[in-house]
Amino acid sequence: AQSVTQPDIHITVSEGASLELRCNYSYGATPYLFWYVQSPGQGLQLLLKYFSGDTLVQGIKGFEAEFKRSQSSFNLRKPSVHWSDAAEYFCAATNTGTASKLTFGTGTRLQVTL
Amino acid sequence: KAGVTQTPRYLIKTRGQQVTLSCSPISGHRSVSWYQQTPGQGLQFLFEYFSETQRNKGNFPGRFSGRQFSNSRSEMNVSTLELGDSALYLCASSFGTAYGYTFGSGTRLTVV
Repeated sequence: AQSVTQPDIHITVSEGASLELRCNYSYGATPYLFWYVQSPGQGLQLLLKYFSGDTLVQGIKGFEAEFKRSQSSFNLRKPSVHWSDAAEYFCAATNTGTASKLTFGTGTRLQVTL
Repeated sequence: KAGVTQTPRYLIKTRGQQVTLSCSPISGHRSVSWYQQTPGQGLQFLFEYFSETQRNKGNFPGRFSGRQFSNSRSEMNVSTLELGDSALYLCASSFGTAYGYTFGSGTRLTVV
């Protein structure tokens, strides 16, 4: 079955430190991949997406993600975290056959300490 | 430009009642999808509409239904509410998969 796995439920980093959030997918073919962020009580905001081409994708708010086919991974990174980055982050995927149906990971809650 | 608008933001209903949630997509977006978010099950796909036709459906009981109007606005209906239907219901609209999906702020439904 198609699935998206985020192995880290909760991560704490200090402000200014680097961040990497892990995401692995299990799909028959390379899916379309997304990272979303959700602040408490809010909807989801798209950070970045990958469809094909360059495996390093730049997004908003200084985030980037790297697609690695050999590892079935799409990890999110940020070189220097700000306190306002504290939120929940979701990795999602969809294949071209059912392009409208996003499968989400369980999310990683990011806490930023000052 | 205006984002995806969901109304109402909060709802409290009693078991057995029915509820209708509304979603107005971004202008020009013809695809509207609905998701249920709960602490236990996470984000789960309900269904997707495109040009007034249901194009895709998730694994939810028939109590959950939806429709889309000619102006792309969508409604979602849940009949015979159960306590387990308490959740944040999110709507997302899209111009096409390559452009990504834009989510609204959601409707928080509480069933008592």
